[in-house]
Amino acid sequence: SQQGEEDPQALSIQEGENATMNCSYKTSINNLQWYRQNSGRGLVHLILIRSNEREKHSGRLRVTLDTSKKSSSLLITASRAADTASYFCATVPGSGGGADGLTFGKGTHLIIQP
Amino acid sequence: EPEVTQTPSHQVTQMGQEVILRCVPISNHLYFYWYRQILGQKVEFLVSFYNNEISEKSEIFDDQFSVERPDGSNFTLKIRSTKLEDSAMYFCARGLARGELFFGEGSRLTVL
Repeated sequence: SQQGEEDPQALSIQEGENATMNCSYKTSINNLQWYRQNSGRGLVHLILIRSNEREKHSGRLRVTLDTSKKSSSLLITASRAADTASYFCATVPGSGGGADGLTFGKGTHLIIQP
Repeated sequence: EPEVTQTPSHQVTQMGQEVILRCVPISNHLYFYWYRQILGQKVEFLVSFYNNEISEKSEIFDDQFSVERPDGSNFTLKIRSTKLEDSAMYFCARGLARGELFFGEGSRLTVL
């Protein structure tokens, strides 16, 4: 698998339920970020978690990071129809210069049924 | 946060033609990036630009590609001789070192 792989690839839930997406990566990281992309639009940054952090919250979002397992999860609580989008994790390498590009996963397509 | 503005939003071109995609990153961020996303696939890093020169580039960013910041504000991606497989969404982004990135809405390139 490649750096930054999300699962599931697609997730359909009812409005109000919680949505959990997972991401796995292979190499050491400086930080891991989650982005949202509405169909045909640009990516919007949601949250960044550093390699020395284990959990972070932002509104209805909760991100965890387990560097021993090289995995992260994104939890969206009390989902809304407007949360329908693709969600990508992206990693910044632990080594290298500051201009290293993000490595994105393939994304999880989340559909919230009203 | 000001947005990154990209033009054109959609460009259709014939194979072998040159294409220039433009980005206006309205901020004081030092790092600028180009990414591409082939339809239905993941977002791929092309190149990063720092202090008016290329800092990092991926294997995708071959001799057909070039980037410039010709006038200190616009940030351009040029594809010299387009191929069918260059059809994709191209995203410009700005940010700080190892931090969050702010993406534009993208330029859809269709090569016929």
